[in-house]
Amino acid sequence: SQQGEEDPQALSIQEGENATMNCSYKTSINNLQWYRQNSGRGLVHLILIRSNEREKHSGRLRVTLDTSKKSSSLLITASRAADTASYFCATAGYNQGGKLIFGQGTELSVKP
Amino acid sequence: DVKVTQSSRYLVKRTGEKVFLECVQDMDHENMFWYRQDPGLGLRLIYFSYDVKMKEKGDIPEGYSVSREKKERFSLILESASTNQTSMYLCASRTGTPYNEQFFGPGTRLTVL
Repeated sequence: SQQGEEDPQALSIQEGENATMNCSYKTSINNLQWYRQNSGRGLVHLILIRSNEREKHSGRLRVTLDTSKKSSSLLITASRAADTASYFCATAGYNQGGKLIFGQGTELSVKP
Repeated sequence: DVKVTQSSRYLVKRTGEKVFLECVQDMDHENMFWYRQDPGLGLRLIYFSYDVKMKEKGDIPEGYSVSREKKERFSLILESASTNQTSMYLCASRTGTPYNEQFFGPGTRLTVL
């Protein structure tokens, strides 16, 4: 079952702008992960944030996690055309039998 | 770097054919997964394997079977392909730690005519 809800479903911005994507989930988690998928390709792991962390950075990526609201956000700063892709959140929950549950994804388009 | 490879990028089969999708990982990962991805439905887990010769059903196992005879290889089998199995199939692997990230292959786009 898909518990991750991502918002927005699609986002179109200009190069240089920041892009923010949100993810909500329903159950208790060990961590939340973000993945990127370029068109027609496999997923690439971007960043993992544990339930006891509130914020994490990796290059131009900033992820926040609010376990009280069961939500996370992914911020891509100074976006580039090469950031055009679909972005998925996935939860690793305590009652998920070791499985990840993926959101529906946000389709990001960065125009040059 | 972890590398997960899938036997085909594109595959076209006929209804009723037996189809094998192969996945190989080179990082000695214990866990392997098969997903299918469809527009509007996201990624759905078909089967996964915690170790050699072990398998667990995912959310949508009907019409599929799997085989894991060697640690590095995880095969997805469509016993009798049907048009509703036309989809993108993604394989992934992970270390034995249950909450770690997964590493994905490039995907196989299967069309069943």
